[in-house]
This record gives sequence, structure tokens and C-alpha cells, in this order.
Amino acid sequence: GESVGLHLPTLSVQEGDNSIINCAYSNSASDYFIWYKQESGKGPQFIIDIRSNMDKRQGQRVTVLLNKTVKHLSLQIAATQPGDSAVYFCAENEGAQKLVFGQGTRLTINP
Amino acid sequence: DAGITQSPRHKVTETGTPVTLRCHQTENHRYMYWYRQDPGHGLRLIHYSYGVKDTDKGEVSDGYSVSRSKTEDFLLTLESATSSQTSVYFCAISIGQAPNTGELFFGEGSRLTVL
Repeated sequence: GESVGLHLPTLSVQEGDNSIINCAYSNSASDYFIWYKQESGKGPQFIIDIRSNMDKRQGQRVTVLLNKTVKHLSLQIAATQPGDSAVYFCAENEGAQKLVFGQGTRLTINP
Repeated sequence: DAGITQSPRHKVTETGTPVTLRCHQTENHRYMYWYRQDPGHGLRLIHYSYGVKDTDKGEVSDGYSVSRSKTEDFLLTLESATSSQTSVYFCAISIGQAPNTGELFFGEGSRLTVL
């Protein structure tokens, strides 16, 4: 069946470095993707989204890249800060506003 | 926080007992969702609603029922709780009006333990 997954379950980076979190998807018909951040004990929080007619979108310190050829999505966080420590989920839209989530990547920031 | 409140936030119950989780929103959004979150599985959709009395199943709907008699409330019921339903349950609303906008706002979660 169709699925959304992540290459790595954990990622550790130095404070101030850039972080790159990857996500693979298998549904070639998906036309909308979202990244969520989940801090411990809280619900997921929207970070940034991208539609399939785009290959890059930038937000504040974050950039999402979409490569439809290889069905790959990535989230880049610039100048990573301690507050960026969280689990990051990619999600794809299955239609009717239903999202399918990946399993998540835990980002840890080293001082 | 998009005005989402989940209750109870924590509950411990015994196998075979009924459990109802409540999601309340204050902004009259049309779409509401119940997800469960488990280690190794991420977030999985249980049921969702696209209006009063309009609901549909998600990928893990077995053992769960929902009701939406008012726009602001979406109830998730476990008729007879099992240990496999021990999880953290998240309610979410969609603020998008058009199809496939997809951005969801989540509640703080309800941690359910079934002994």
C-alpha cells in the first residue's frame, strides 16, 4: 500500500549547524505535503507545507524541498537552536483533508 | 491553539470498560479528526468528521466509534476497551475550506491506559 516514511529515526546536530530531515513517500498522486513539529507532551504543530507544483518553499529558518522524481521530501532548519529539539513528522494529503503521517525523526541539539 | 480542548487528558481504565474521549472546539471548523499515536507507528487516523452527523472511517477504526451531534464537539468512544488501545489520542481540526489544504491544528492529547 501507499506509505510515508523517514530515512532516519534520529538526528543529532550541533547548535548553530543546519539540520536536514528527510522523508520518502510512495504515493505519486499526492499533491500536498506538510511538516509538523512535536515537542514532548504536546500535540504536533504545523511548520511548513508545499504543493506538488512547487519544488521549494521557504519559511522562517525552514525550507522544504520536494523532489517528485524520486518521491522525496526534506526539511532544512537553518542555524539549529535548542528549541528545535523535537520529533518532526512529514505528512502527505490523501484527499478529503486526510493526512498520512510518517513515523517521525527525533532531532537532538548538542550544545 | 485554535481553541481545541481534549478531555480527559489522562485516563486509566480496565479492559472491557467503555471509554469516551471528548474534543471541543470553539471556532466552528467543519473538519475534525481523531488520531492515535504509538511508538513506531506515528500518527494514525481513526475517524474523521466533515460536518454534524457526517463521519467516516480512517485506517484504524476497528474498536472505535464517533459521534458529532454539534459542530463544536467530536466524541470518540471505545465500546469495550482493550490493552491494544492504550495510546495517546489526538484530536485535530482543519482550518482549510477547500479540499486538500490539509493543515491540521492538534489538541494537547489524551493519554489512555487500558489495564
